[in-house]
Amino acid sequence: GNSVTQMEGPVTLSEEAFLTINCTYTATGYPSLFWYVQYPGEGLQLLLKATKADDKGSNKGFEATYRKETTSFHLEKGSVQVSDSAVYFCALNYGGATNKLIFGTGTLLAVQP
Amino acid sequence: SAVISQKPSRDICQRGTSLTIQCQVDSQVTMMFWYRQQPGQSLTLIATANQGSEATYESGFVIDKFPISRPNLTFSTLTVSNMSPEDSSIYLCSVDLYGSYEQYFGPGTRLTVT
Repeated sequence: GNSVTQMEGPVTLSEEAFLTINCTYTATGYPSLFWYVQYPGEGLQLLLKATKADDKGSNKGFEATYRKETTSFHLEKGSVQVSDSAVYFCALNYGGATNKLIFGTGTLLAVQP
Repeated sequence: SAVISQKPSRDICQRGTSLTIQCQVDSQVTMMFWYRQQPGQSLTLIATANQGSEATYESGFVIDKFPISRPNLTFSTLTVSNMSPEDSSIYLCSVDLYGSYEQYFGPGTRLTVT
């Protein structure tokens, strides 16, 4: 079946460090891929998305590229800030009649000053 | 984007009782969704609620336990019935705002069952 696998957390970084959170997926066909972020005590926010192979989603300095050959959608940021501390969820959605987000387990990022 | 609100934001309920959670959107949407996020866990889809039809439930979730209403294109309710401590979770509604398969979430309802 369809699934999303994320690297386990927590990920602890110093401010201005480079961030990578790995995400791979298992799916038939070509789903859309998403990264959502959940800040402490808040709901989920859509961070970025990519809808087809080789698309790069970007927002707030975060980037992720849809890699069909490796079935991956790794999240990266060149220089993290304390305010980036949150839980990050990778997800996929086929849309259409099966419009349903399938989430990874989430990765907690803690950025220290 | 849209403004999505949920009521209540949190509640503490006794075992065996029921709680109805409301989700309101400030624009008309076809598809609304209800998710559960158990403590320290990821999100799991409970059901999809389309206006004018019965909700579609995911495996492991049943209508008797989680009845859903969708009376119009801006509103939905989820009831958690006959609650047990295992129902303690955050319940979130979401909408597919643009028919583009990206979903936008409400702030969630944090439920604790004692």
